[in-house]
Amino acid sequence: QTVVTQEPSFSVSPGGTVTLTCGLSSGSVSSNYYPSWYQQTPGQAPRTLIYSTNTRSSGVPDRFSGSILGNKAALTITGTQADDESDYYCALYMGNGISVFGGGTKLTVL
Amino acid sequence: QVQLQESGPGLVKPSETLSLICSVSGGSVSSGSYYWNWIRQPPGKGLEWIGYIYYSGSTNSNPSLKSRVTMSVDKSKNQFSLKLSSVTAADTAVYYCARKVSSTWSPNFDYWGQGTLVTVSS
Repeated sequence: QTVVTQEPSFSVSPGGTVTLTCGLSSGSVSSNYYPSWYQQTPGQAPRTLIYSTNTRSSGVPDRFSGSILGNKAALTITGTQADDESDYYCALYMGNGISVFGGGTKLTVL
Repeated sequence: QVQLQESGPGLVKPSETLSLICSVSGGSVSSGSYYWNWIRQPPGKGLEWIGYIYYSGSTNSNPSLKSRVTMSVDKSKNQFSLKLSSVTAADTAVYYCARKVSSTWSPNFDYWGQGTLVTVSS
């Protein structure tokens, strides 16, 4: 069974740029997987940041952007702020109506 | 504003069936524009997609859970529901209901419920 992989943790300085990635245990992620990205803070439901690789959800600041980098989907945050400290999840469309989430990345801003 | 709200028992015994309802307001489960999903998150762990139901009653679910999952939609009450049979402690999680736009294959869950914790324990 193919697993969606993410960095378990990442740290970034305030004002810095960070790129989180979303890959596959077997194979490459392309736009055909329609990657989406979610932000989750403790005790809250996830919030959609990006869908269909690079489309920002309504109300999401343009500091957040999505792309395909090499063989992975990527979420880049520029001008990182303290309240960007959250868990970030990617999700991929695997075909036949099936969606799969990655294990999530805990982003620390320090 | 679309709102989703999960409801159901917070404690289920092992081997029994977990049953949850998602009540939708500000939108209609009868709309063909959306899929209505269930997603769960074990304490301290990541998200797992469980499955979806469409207004027509067609369903799709995670292959790892498929044999235990039943979903239904009640258009008269504007609700949809999840049943997960033969539960074990591994099914302990916060269960979310969420709406997904049907016009794209992308897993774009645009509205979520607040989530409800279901604990499996005797």
